[in-house]
Amino acid sequence: DVKVTQSSRYLVKRTGEKVFLECVQDMDHENMFWYRQDPGLGLRLIYFSYDVKMKEKGDIPEGYSVSREKKERFSLILESASTNQTSMYLCASSPPGLAGLPNEQYFGPGTRLTVT
Amino acid sequence: AQSVTQLDSQVPVFEEAPVELRCNYSSSVSVYLFWYVQYPNQGLQLLLKYLSGSTLVKGINGFEAEFNKSQTSFHLRKPSVHISDTAEYFCAVSVSTGGGNKLTFGTGTQLKVEL
Repeated sequence: DVKVTQSSRYLVKRTGEKVFLECVQDMDHENMFWYRQDPGLGLRLIYFSYDVKMKEKGDIPEGYSVSREKKERFSLILESASTNQTSMYLCASSPPGLAGLPNEQYFGPGTRLTVT
Repeated sequence: AQSVTQLDSQVPVFEEAPVELRCNYSSSVSVYLFWYVQYPNQGLQLLLKYLSGSTLVKGINGFEAEFNKSQTSFHLRKPSVHISDTAEYFCAVSVSTGGGNKLTFGTGTQLKVEL
């Protein structure tokens, strides 16, 4: 079974702190994604990565950065946490699809971040 | 850019009744469609997907969905729901960019199954 793990289920940080959210997958997937999930807004893509050291902005990258130094690990960084970044953060990974078709994304359990 | 609309934020239904969760998409190019389910305090898992071929797609747990290109819809159905189907359901669309499979999600529909 594919396993996507996230470093914490719950995290409480103060405004202005630098926050690291870690995601690890064990299936050698090329693609990795970070989303935030908010009630009534669904999932919104923050950043994604197609390969080691490659990253692309999603729909809401402001206030976030990412790092992918190893294939299995994709980190989300909040350089200076703010209260409007309180949210559920979900990581996902997927292999490349056949003939350019999209493939299933496998999700971690999520990290609920509270910024006070 | 593509988008997904899930008109119903909540759908209450009695156990053993049929249910339909609605999903409409907009895109100017070919799309690939997905339904994911999120049980309480868990991540998302795939229910079913439409990539090509038959427009009626069957998924896990007795769910199915029909791709309707003329109505730009991909509604999810189950003929008889169970208490354990209580969860949040997300419709998602992907437009292949050649560089990966980025998904755009709808806002979700909370299905509540009651006795």
